[in-house]
Amino acid sequence: GEDVEQSLFLSVREGDSSVINCTYTDSSSTYLYWYKQEPGAGLQLLTYIFSNMDMKQDQRLTVLLNKKDKHLSLRIADTQTGDSAIYFCAVKDDTDKLIFGTGTRLQVFP
Amino acid sequence: DADVTQTPRNRITKTGKRIMLECSQTKGHDRMYWYRQDPGLGLQLIYYSFDVKDINKGEISDGYSVSRQAQAKFSLSLESAIPNQTALYFCATATGSSPSHSNQPQHFGDGTRLSIL
Repeated sequence: GEDVEQSLFLSVREGDSSVINCTYTDSSSTYLYWYKQEPGAGLQLLTYIFSNMDMKQDQRLTVLLNKKDKHLSLRIADTQTGDSAIYFCAVKDDTDKLIFGTGTRLQVFP
Repeated sequence: DADVTQTPRNRITKTGKRIMLECSQTKGHDRMYWYRQDPGLGLQLIYYSFDVKDINKGEISDGYSVSRQAQAKFSLSLESAIPNQTALYFCATATGSSPSHSNQPQHFGDGTRLSIL
């Protein structure tokens, strides 16, 4: 089955860019998502990308997809303290289920 | 965004008790899901439903059961709770009951924190 991996922690200075990485194993995955989870809250959909795209940009967020390497990344420009949260990569498998990574905890320091 | 409401938000109970977690949504989404979240493990799918008469097991359904009472309601039950079911539980919804809608993203409730002593 699909396996989705992320690094557990990322620490950046306020104003810098953050890059959160994700790798997956199933090359037939068609939809890939990024969710944000703040303390005590559910998962908030940030953005998603179709597998026939290489890049998607939405304000401060840029998603890059490298299908050959099965690598997805989320870049947050001008990172703010309010961006501190856990970020989950999720991939839709061929049975229409979402497979989540373990989440990357982003800490933004002044 | 879907308005997905989970009750209760927090629950502490004892081993062996029967527990029901409720989920309701107001956006008319056909698809509903139950996940559990454990530290360092991401989210694991327990059960999902594509419409009122459809119930499917996820990857960790043992020890759980569900009921889709109406399009808007999807309940998760633990018949006899055990301590390793202590976790954060999330309900999610998505629009569309046909495969052509499968790209629609899932919208999550705020979660139920369940502790079993």
